[in-house]
Amino acid sequence: EVQLVESGGGLVQPGGSLRLSCAASGFTFSDHYMDWVRQAPGKGLEWVGQIRNEVNRYTTEYAASVKGRFTISRDDSKNSLYLQMNSLKTEDTAVYYCVRGTYGAFDIWGQGTMVTVSS
Amino acid sequence: DIQMTQSPSSLSASVGDRVTITCRASQSISNYLNWYQQKPGKAPKLLIYAASSLQTGVPSRFSGSGSGTDFTLTISSLQPEDFATYYCQPSYTTVTFGGGTKVEI
Repeated sequence: EVQLVESGGGLVQPGGSLRLSCAASGFTFSDHYMDWVRQAPGKGLEWVGQIRNEVNRYTTEYAASVKGRFTISRDDSKNSLYLQMNSLKTEDTAVYYCVRGTYGAFDIWGQGTMVTVSS
Repeated sequence: DIQMTQSPSSLSASVGDRVTITCRASQSISNYLNWYQQKPGKAPKLLIYAASSLQTGVPSRFSGSGSGTDFTLTISSLQPEDFATYYCQPSYTTVTFGGGTKVEI
């Protein structure tokens, strides 16, 4: 079964850091671009960033709202995706989804992990 | 960045109705447009990719059309399980989703 499972969410104070993980299974992880998408409570979807595959040199892109604070990485040997979040703000509170990209479409989504930034 | 304007933001419909949702891009994106369905408390699900291609397993009552800047998602006969929020998304780097359309009873 093709699956993405996120972990690492929780409560963190403003200015703090958190690292999310995503475990992939059921497909050739190394072939795909991988993204993070978030959704604040009661709001729409917001793309966070992307990491490309080895063929494309693992290059990354980020939304302006997180650039310089968030870092996406991957470990193809572990079929894992990561999101390092630093200098967290209250507006980063959201459900964070790990997403598989296939020709620009997000065809597989994890169940999401909640990140709450609050004092 | 490409901006996506989705309309309406919400609509009320009945089972059996034909429902149309539109998405307009701030510049031409050819057919690089995808549609998603999200139910409360669940992750989004890909319905349509490349503007008009039905994702595997998605019922044929869903269809997509358009190219350039104007796109449409149509549900030919609304079913009870279709009450959800729908989002459009261009297949580009630095993605911006549409604002969403909530389909309510």
